[in-house]
Amino acid sequence: EADIYQTPRYLVIGTGKKITLECSQTMGHDKMYWYQQDPGMELHLIHYSYGVNSTEKGDLSSESTVSRIRTEHFPLTLESARPSHTSQYLCASSDPKWGVPSGGVHNEQFFGPGTRLTVL
Amino acid sequence: GENVEQHPSTLSVQEGDSAVIKCTYSDSASNYFPWYKQELGKRPQLIIDIRSNVGEKKDQRIAVTLNKTAKHFSLHITETQPEDSAVYFCAASPNAGGTSYGKLTFGQGTILTVHP
Repeated sequence: EADIYQTPRYLVIGTGKKITLECSQTMGHDKMYWYQQDPGMELHLIHYSYGVNSTEKGDLSSESTVSRIRTEHFPLTLESARPSHTSQYLCASSDPKWGVPSGGVHNEQFFGPGTRLTVL
Repeated sequence: GENVEQHPSTLSVQEGDSAVIKCTYSDSASNYFPWYKQELGKRPQLIIDIRSNVGEKKDQRIAVTLNKTAKHFSLHITETQPEDSAVYFCAASPNAGGTSYGKLTFGQGTILTVHP
């Protein structure tokens, strides 16, 4: 079944550790995104990618980095985790299409289950 | 860039009442406006969307209206049920082309509570 997968679902680590949050999708989508979200709060875009070897910073500044070597894989890395990085991280993908015949772009983003990160 | 404002931040209604959530956006080039529902501990999921060439769209108990001139759009839920309780996010997508294509800018979210 086509879906978006994130691992780990929960992670508790100490300050200064390097971590990588995994995101994989079997949707066949070119575009992928990382959001940071505190519980019940606004979704902040921190990174996005339009395809292999394409990565861009999002609207919210983040100390994390991403890579896109394969279409289905979009990992996020924190070189040195800090308590301020404690949050939920959501990965998403989409395949924007122009609507026919009604026009306009249809850009449903499909979200993964998220990784809840706690840095002590 | 695009800026989306969403109100109210919390909304409490009795079962069977209607609920309305409003959003405004800043970029007149935006032409796609989805609404997402996020239940506690779950991932956000699309519930309804509207494109700029349509003024209103309905899907059973939910409807969305769009006023492009005023740059605002609203979500309407009728005959609310306890299972409608969740956080609702509006979003706007800029025009196609360039580095913004495909990006969604989300509103701040509305916590809807439906009391039995």
